[in-house]
Amino acid sequence: TAGITQAPTSQILAAGRSMTLRCTQDMRHNAMYWYRQDLGLGLRLIHYSNTAGTTGKGEVPDGYSVSRANTDDFPLTLASAVPSQTSVYFCASSDAGTAGANVLTFGAGSRLTVL
Amino acid sequence: GQNIDQPTEMTATEGAIVQINCTYQTSGFNGLFWYQQHAGEAPTFLSYNVLDGLEEKGRFSSFLSRSKGYSYLLLKELQMKDSASYLCAVIDSGYALNFGKGTSLLVTP
Repeated sequence: TAGITQAPTSQILAAGRSMTLRCTQDMRHNAMYWYRQDLGLGLRLIHYSNTAGTTGKGEVPDGYSVSRANTDDFPLTLASAVPSQTSVYFCASSDAGTAGANVLTFGAGSRLTVL
Repeated sequence: GQNIDQPTEMTATEGAIVQINCTYQTSGFNGLFWYQQHAGEAPTFLSYNVLDGLEEKGRFSSFLSRSKGYSYLLLKELQMKDSASYLCAVIDSGYALNFGKGTSLLVTP
């Protein structure tokens, strides 16, 4: 089982350019999330989706957009990248709303550098 | 609002026991998680507490006191491979986890 696949693994991007980070899961999880991780700041939630067709804003949504057209895919788009968006981006998913803990499974991460 | 605090760094000796504390102040509470993250890798799930008390899982145990807004992760018989960051996270509402900044643990010989 692949779990969660993120692409690209790393990318260097010029400021002002657009970029889409891809995330695909094969676990049929209903909920998906995008976090960014920065040294000294920890993991911060950018956007989330509780189910296909719905999305919501997290703690740091500005400059990012998401879509959830189906269960498996949850792309994150930077419309016009800025250097402060240099970070490691983690996609995660969970089988939310069922009995037991809402355990998030994370992808391997995408390292983005904006110059 | 939310505030999740844990120490930035800790050092412990191989074979010893270490306790990593986490305190939280959140608008709601639907469970507390501990994740392990090795350098350059994704976080992986360690433990979950929703009721007060101790949850034991092999060398790792996690404790929760909801009235005190306090949890700890206890690692026994430390091994070199336990050197990693340990992330405390709380679900206050909805499904998303709110993470603390993480504790970097260095295990020395």
